[in-house]
Amino acid sequence: LAKTTQPISMDSYEGQEVNITCSHNNIATNDYITWYQQFPSQGPRFIIQGYKTKVTNEVASLFIPADRKSSTLSLPRVSLSDTAVYYCLVGARSYNTDKLIFGTGTRLQVFP
Amino acid sequence: SAVISQKPSRDICQRGTSLTIQCQVDSQVTMMFWYRQQPGQSLTLIATANQGSEATYESGFVIDKFPISRPNLTFSTLTVSNMSPEDSSIYLCSAAETGDNLSNYGYTFGSGTRLTVV
Repeated sequence: LAKTTQPISMDSYEGQEVNITCSHNNIATNDYITWYQQFPSQGPRFIIQGYKTKVTNEVASLFIPADRKSSTLSLPRVSLSDTAVYYCLVGARSYNTDKLIFGTGTRLQVFP
Repeated sequence: SAVISQKPSRDICQRGTSLTIQCQVDSQVTMMFWYRQQPGQSLTLIATANQGSEATYESGFVIDKFPISRPNLTFSTLTVSNMSPEDSSIYLCSAAETGDNLSNYGYTFGSGTRLTVV
């Protein structure tokens, strides 16, 4: 599984857009990029998954450049409730035999 | 997506005893996993619970310490055996559906079991 590198922590203010970048230089051809969010005292929650270019859902956008060696999770207009740890993971989409290996994650703190 | 019920949510146990954590999924899932998470740290994979066969353990984890059962496609248990204070942690189970659900929902996690060994 490709190793990922992301900032340990980030601070933001309510209403701002937050972009969290993840590096995955050794990503394989069949690997997808997936982001999870974890609140205190809860298990991680799936946010978004993508393979290339841009993916958008009701929660976030995921930008993946052509070389796929990095990706950026974009959270529009964050609120206090977006304070959480965000994990970037890289692996095959099938997941039938693949296991999720979590990196350090990025601890996002949103201030009023 | 699948919903996981994990219990107990927390427990305080005496050293030398064992605790079994249960994970119930509301639908049949192919893969189930067990993780450990120290407060403020990331998740560490303990093992993959395989239905109908023995679990597959990650480096540093052994079956005698963390026996796992997976009797069917909706249920799994993790036992923390002969506990010591170093086993104090949060234990989480996870389930993976297959097919297109993964692109929409990913893996599902239980809310965790906070274990304190005294």
